[in-house]
Amino acid sequence: GAVVSQHPSRVICKSGTSVKIECRSLDFQATTMFWYRQFPKKSLMLMATSNEGSKATYEQGVEKDKFLINHASLTLSTLTVTSAHPEDSSFYICSATDKQGRASYTFGSGTRLTVV
Amino acid sequence: AQSVTQLDSQVPVFEEAPVELRCNYSSSVSVYLFWYVQYPNQGLQLLLKYLSGSTLVESINGFEAEFNKSQTSFHLRKPSVHISDTAEYFCAVQGGSEKLVFGKGTKLTVNP
Repeated sequence: GAVVSQHPSRVICKSGTSVKIECRSLDFQATTMFWYRQFPKKSLMLMATSNEGSKATYEQGVEKDKFLINHASLTLSTLTVTSAHPEDSSFYICSATDKQGRASYTFGSGTRLTVV
Repeated sequence: AQSVTQLDSQVPVFEEAPVELRCNYSSSVSVYLFWYVQYPNQGLQLLLKYLSGSTLVESINGFEAEFNKSQTSFHLRKPSVHISDTAEYFCAVQGGSEKLVFGKGTKLTVNP
């Protein structure tokens, strides 16, 4: 079946530094990738949608300069949290789908970001 | 726009008891419906989905859900739960665009 690999699974960084999270589709071409943020005991909040080769579409209220998304190839999307602050600490999850719908929104295993 | 309501934030049950996790949605267009399961500190795993055809869909681990268009519901059921079913369950809807809209989740706790 479709597999999405997300790396790293956990990261601790100092306040003011930047962190990059990778999301890879291993056995299919991900025409669209989604980035979510999940707060403790809360549902998933869609941050942005990215299509290969084009700029990401951000949801209302999400700072595009803070959360940089790059979808440079059909198998890789990255989320960079720039100048991270403690309030950016959260669980970030990516999801990918292909044009045929076979991947059907396969999710990565998530990244626990802690900013100290 | 679509929305999803999961009426129960927490559902405690005893092992081998039946369980139903409720999900209602609203949409002005035709929808696809999904149930995902999330174990602690992990991503989401697809449990089952309704795209078209038979309104009753089943997963490989004994869960089933029935799409009821008139009641705009997609409740998840299992006739006999195991301790290992303890997890967070999310209902999601897709319609009109490629975005998934999630409910707030239901934490299922199976007690011995």
